Amino acid sequence: DAKTTQPPSMDCAEGRAANLPCNHSTISGNEYVYWYRQIHSQGPQYIIHGLKNNETNEMASLIITEDRKSSTLILPHATLRDTAVYYCIVRVPYSGGGADGLTFGKGTHLIIQP
Amino acid sequence: ETGVTQSPTHLIKTRGQQVTLRCSSQSGHNTVSWYQQALGQGPQFIFQYYREEENGRGNFPPRFSGLQFPNYSSELNVNALELDDSALYLCASSLFRDGTDTQYFGPGTRLTVL
Repeated sequence: DAKTTQPPSMDCAEGRAANLPCNHSTISGNEYVYWYRQIHSQGPQYIIHGLKNNETNEMASLIITEDRKSSTLILPHATLRDTAVYYCIVRVPYSGGGADGLTFGKGTHLIIQP
Repeated sequence: ETGVTQSPTHLIKTRGQQVTLRCSSQSGHNTVSWYQQALGQGPQFIFQYYREEENGRGNFPPRFSGLQFPNYSSELNVNALELDDSALYLCASSLFRDGTDTQYFGPGTRLTVL
């Protein structure tokens, strides 16, 4: 699976949009971009995923550049509860059970300031 | 829809002992993956079970083993516990659908080895 690069930490004011970047310049054509977040000592929470089109759900929006070498996760109106470590992961989904799991990097520690 | 559950929540063992951790997958999911998360690190993939067989494995020794049952629940067994096995153990379930196999995580089991 391709490697990702994320800033180690970011701050955002409560109520503002939080934009978390991820670089995945070696992504291959069949690899999806997944975002998870982990609040301290809890299990990772799935946020959103995409292949090449922009995606939106009730939690966030995912913007993938046209060349697919980078993406941005957008939390439109950040709250204090969004303070967490955010992980960007790229991988190929497997239909018969995968030979490998998710590869977590160090992620971005997003701190929402009141 | 029931989410992923894990038991026990916390566990304390001594070095050399054996431990069994349990996971119930999300309703309708047929694949279970296990991860180890040491303090301050991202989760590391241990192995994955699909159709009751190990379908992929990360860089973990054979004393880490598992089972998947016909109802898709799973166990993680660790023999000859070492101090470095102290970690949060995470279970994730998934189902290949609509071109992807998004993994959903449980809350984890905190294992302390003394």
